[in-house]
Amino acid sequence: DTEVTQTPKHLVMGMTNKKSLKCEQHMGHRAMYWYKQKAKKPPELMFVYSYEKLSINESVPSRFSPECPNSSLLNLHLHALQPEDSALYLCASRLTSGVSNTDTQYFGPGTRLTVL
Amino acid sequence: AQSVAQPEDQVNVAEGNPLTVKCTYSVSGNPYLFWYVQYPNRGLQFLLKYITGDNLVKGSYGFEAEFNKSQTSFHLKKPSALVSDSALYFCAGATGRRALTFGSGTRLQVQP
Repeated sequence: DTEVTQTPKHLVMGMTNKKSLKCEQHMGHRAMYWYKQKAKKPPELMFVYSYEKLSINESVPSRFSPECPNSSLLNLHLHALQPEDSALYLCASRLTSGVSNTDTQYFGPGTRLTVL
Repeated sequence: AQSVAQPEDQVNVAEGNPLTVKCTYSVSGNPYLFWYVQYPNRGLQFLLKYITGDNLVKGSYGFEAEFNKSQTSFHLKKPSALVSDSALYFCAGATGRRALTFGSGTRLQVQP
């Protein structure tokens, strides 16, 4: 089983709202990722968690706040977003997060976010 | 700088014909290369990867990829294209930052 699940599938929010995206995997993977993807573009890395600790933050604005409560769950808390933040948000996981690691990264189906 | 490039924005092929989606890489050390496919409004699905060993890698849905060190390429191939193969394809490299570096993507259109 190589399944990464994400909820919700779609989210519409106003610029003053607070919402959260959820990602879950039960493959025992210890590295989890958030990516942002604009239409017809490659995914852009936002955050990497390794063994439940934040290891990479790609200079993401503070209105995006990641959280990794346990090894299976990854959240992305959203607050005061801008319309340009509208995108597909993808979660991914990998067995380990070593620098020279060859493990495959598996992606969830994504959450389509629209900010009004 | 370590990078992965996909020189074609779009590839058109007739159903039943062979297809090739191109990828070139520029990485130091051993290149670890991946191909993913993305259908509209969906996440990325893993197709195959090259780590070491045989230069011809076989993957899901009848796809394969040929690793060529001298040409620094990792082209995705399929002997006979299906209309259902129409999608966005990404080549990616594990560039030593604990995350993948993606090419710009190639849209494959298979015409009936």
